[in-house]
Amino acid sequence: GAVVSQHPSRVICKSGTSVKIECRSLDFQATTMFWYRQFPKKSLMLMATSNEGSKATYEQGVEKDKFLINHASLTLSTLTVTSAHPEDSSFYICSARVESYGYTFGSGTRLTVV
Amino acid sequence: GENVEQHPSTLSVQEGDSAVIKCTYSDSASNYFPWYKQELGKGPQLIIDIRSNVGEKKDQRIAVTLNKTAKHFSLHITETQPEDSAVYFCAASPQGGNQFYFGTGTSLTVIP
Repeated sequence: GAVVSQHPSRVICKSGTSVKIECRSLDFQATTMFWYRQFPKKSLMLMATSNEGSKATYEQGVEKDKFLINHASLTLSTLTVTSAHPEDSSFYICSARVESYGYTFGSGTRLTVV
Repeated sequence: GENVEQHPSTLSVQEGDSAVIKCTYSDSASNYFPWYKQELGKGPQLIIDIRSNVGEKKDQRIAVTLNKTAKHFSLHITETQPEDSAVYFCAASPQGGNQFYFGTGTSLTVIP
């Protein structure tokens, strides 16, 4: 089946630093990927839609300068949390749409900012 | 926009019993309804989905029903097992759209 590989699974960083999260589609091409944020015991909140070769589309209330998204190829999208603060600590998940299959999710990244 | 509501938020059942989770949606343009299972610390995994041209779909112990008129759909798990314990999310996707909208999740606990 279609697999999206997400790395790292866990990351701890200091306040003020930046963290990059990668999502790769392993056996299919993903022209569009989606980035979600999930708080403990809460549902997934769509942050942005990543489009290969063009700018990402951000949901209302999501700071595009803080959450930088790059989708430079058909198999890789990255989310960079810039100047991270403790309130950015969360579970971040990517997903991609797969033709004739639906949507598949990465395994998530637990970000802790200390 | 679309609004998906999910109930109950928590559900405990005895092993072997059935579990039912219900969702409602607001946008009549939605035509794709997947269900995801999320285990602790992992990303959601698609377990079953249904499209608006179908009223029911079954895959072994899991079934999903859809009532387009009432705008609700349900997940049914029969003969539950402890490994079914997880958080389940429903979602709805508008026709032709790429994104979809999640319900608030149901934490299912199957008691051995």
